[in-house]
Amino acid sequence: NAGVTQTPKFQVLKTGQSMTLQCAQDMNHEYMSWYRQDPGMGLRLIHYSVGAGITDQGEVPNGYNVSRSTTEDFPLRLLSAAPSQTSVYFCASSRGGHTFFGQGTRLTVV
Amino acid sequence: EDQVTQSPEALRLQEGESSSLNCSYTVSGLRGLFWYRQDPGKGPEFLFTLYSAGEEKEKERLKATLTKKESFLHITAPKPEDSATYLCAVQAETSGSRLTFGEGTQLTVNP
Repeated sequence: NAGVTQTPKFQVLKTGQSMTLQCAQDMNHEYMSWYRQDPGMGLRLIHYSVGAGITDQGEVPNGYNVSRSTTEDFPLRLLSAAPSQTSVYFCASSRGGHTFFGQGTRLTVV
Repeated sequence: EDQVTQSPEALRLQEGESSSLNCSYTVSGLRGLFWYRQDPGKGPEFLFTLYSAGEEKEKERLKATLTKKESFLHITAPKPEDSATYLCAVQAETSGSRLTFGEGTQLTVNP
């Protein structure tokens, strides 16, 4: 039982490049979400999904896209990376108020 | 708007020196208050959920309590392995599974 798996763990992008952060969970949870964590700002919600085919914006959605074609996978796309998107990204899945987090992706945009 | 404020931002303790971390919150109908532990380079790890004022939960040297305005994480006789960042989050009745996090308290326990 792997829980929530994120890839890659580290990534360096140039400004304007695009990439996808992968997230998969094997707990059959309906609710999944993406957070970013920045020093002094805590974890902030980017996008979330309440089930396959349903996504919605969180607190800081600009510059990010998501899709949810299956219950297991919830990828986060950066269409045109900006230095302001340098952060640590966490994927999470939840059931019954209990949230499990992945190990994080440390992204640097130069 | 739901808000969570944690204090202090950082806390240094000697091994065996008990203390408390504070989490103040405002939320439009509390569904649950959560405490997580986060080690450097790792994702948050679930510790406790509290649902109503007066509730208490314990795990080893940690004890979480809840009032209508704040939660405390009491650490009794801490050990160096308790060093981590402790995060508090709230979930509102109207927000599904969404969590609003505080900025965390970075705890260091010196041997």
